[in-house]
Amino acid sequence: AQRVTQPEKLLSVFKGAPVELKCNYSYSGSPELFWYVQYSRQRLQLLLRHISRESIKGFTADLNKGETSFHLKKPFAQEEDSAMYYCALRAGSSNTGKLIFGQGTTLQVKP
Amino acid sequence: DAGVIQSPRHEVTEMGQEVTLRCKPISGHNSLFWYRQTMMRGLELLIYFNNNVPIDDSGMPEDRFSAKMPNASFSTLKIQPSEPRDSAVYFCASRRTSRDEQFFGPGTRLTVL
Repeated sequence: AQRVTQPEKLLSVFKGAPVELKCNYSYSGSPELFWYVQYSRQRLQLLLRHISRESIKGFTADLNKGETSFHLKKPFAQEEDSAMYYCALRAGSSNTGKLIFGQGTTLQVKP
Repeated sequence: DAGVIQSPRHEVTEMGQEVTLRCKPISGHNSLFWYRQTMMRGLELLIYFNNNVPIDDSGMPEDRFSAKMPNASFSTLKIQPSEPRDSAVYFCASRRTSRDEQFFGPGTRLTVL
């Protein structure tokens, strides 16, 4: 079964501390992984996707097929990073391309 | 482009009433998605359409929920009768092709008393 697991509902760190939001997935094929972010009173929006191998707002995420993980990392958290973060999986071979989301992690960056 | 538009933004109703949520996707986008967001279950896909045709409605909780897409620029999600456990934020999203990013609307916060 296709599944995305984000084990932490809430992650609270101090400004300047490193951040790692965990994401594990279950999928037998070749997955595409995404991170979406929802800032307060804003729409859910794409943060990054693994195929792009890019860094957005200082965040990076590496797909680890051995550990079936796609953790989101940032070396120095900023207060403006406070938001809800969703990890999502798209079945790579599917022609439907629907996304399966994790339960989300709220990141709280304290001053 | 104003992005995906949803209405109403907030809806408060009483148990047993019919609720209709509306969505206008981004022009030129071929797929439309309805999601439900709750604290307990996070973001769940309810149903999605490709070229106005429902492709996967396996996430629709029960027969009280129905969704339509009569044309490329409009979709509705209806709950009849509504129950308190339906209280959630309902998001609509659209995308151009199956390989593209999904763009989300602002959501409708539904409260069923």
